[in-house]
Amino acid sequence: DQQVKQNSPSLSVQEGRISILNCDYTNSMFDYFLWYKKYPAEGPTFLISISSIKDKNEDGRFTVFLNKSAKHLSLHIVPSQPGDSAVYFCAAGVQGAQKLVFGQGTRLTINP
Amino acid sequence: DVKVTQSSRYLVKRTGEKVFLECVQDMDHENMFWYRQDPGLGLRLIYFSYDVKMKEKGDIPEGYSVSREKKERFSLILESASTNQTSMYLCASRIFGTGGRGYTFGSGTRLTVV
Repeated sequence: DQQVKQNSPSLSVQEGRISILNCDYTNSMFDYFLWYKKYPAEGPTFLISISSIKDKNEDGRFTVFLNKSAKHLSLHIVPSQPGDSAVYFCAAGVQGAQKLVFGQGTRLTINP
Repeated sequence: DVKVTQSSRYLVKRTGEKVFLECVQDMDHENMFWYRQDPGLGLRLIYFSYDVKMKEKGDIPEGYSVSREKKERFSLILESASTNQTSMYLCASRIFGTGGRGYTFGSGTRLTVV
């Protein structure tokens, strides 16, 4: 049972344009969500997070939107840069529980 | 800077071998985790530990065991390696608590079982 789903295995975007990565979840108990970025041969690194009490969180070029009624979150990257090419994982957790549940990942490629 | 260190970046082992993957963190974190990453499947939790000598099964524990004798070290053991255990293995740790930045990950160990 995949509680966190990223339905797009890959995404290709032109440099300078907006990249939108999507994530859906099924467990309504999740109350915080995170995005991680992973380069080949490296571990994932934290990018941005959002609590369920918010619907938007912004950090520089990165913005995460949360739609609780749709159980959907998205990561927007504006403008996209070549260094953004990586695999992006969304993750969800429950306050008080220590483990996170991860999606399958989306490989983002930024074309010059 | 906080660190999670995995002892090997690449490993090649033979079917049937007993394999040890080591992970050390220097952040005094209570919680440590082992995940494997496979294409199309994302990160799947194998085992985790809340404290020294404490362990709990994750989603895919079959064929694996773990050891946590010291707070800073969490070992993943493949009792008898099989080809379907060829994967990228990621160790992570986090401080006991909620939310925040979640995990700190190691760089991963790419294990190939032949």
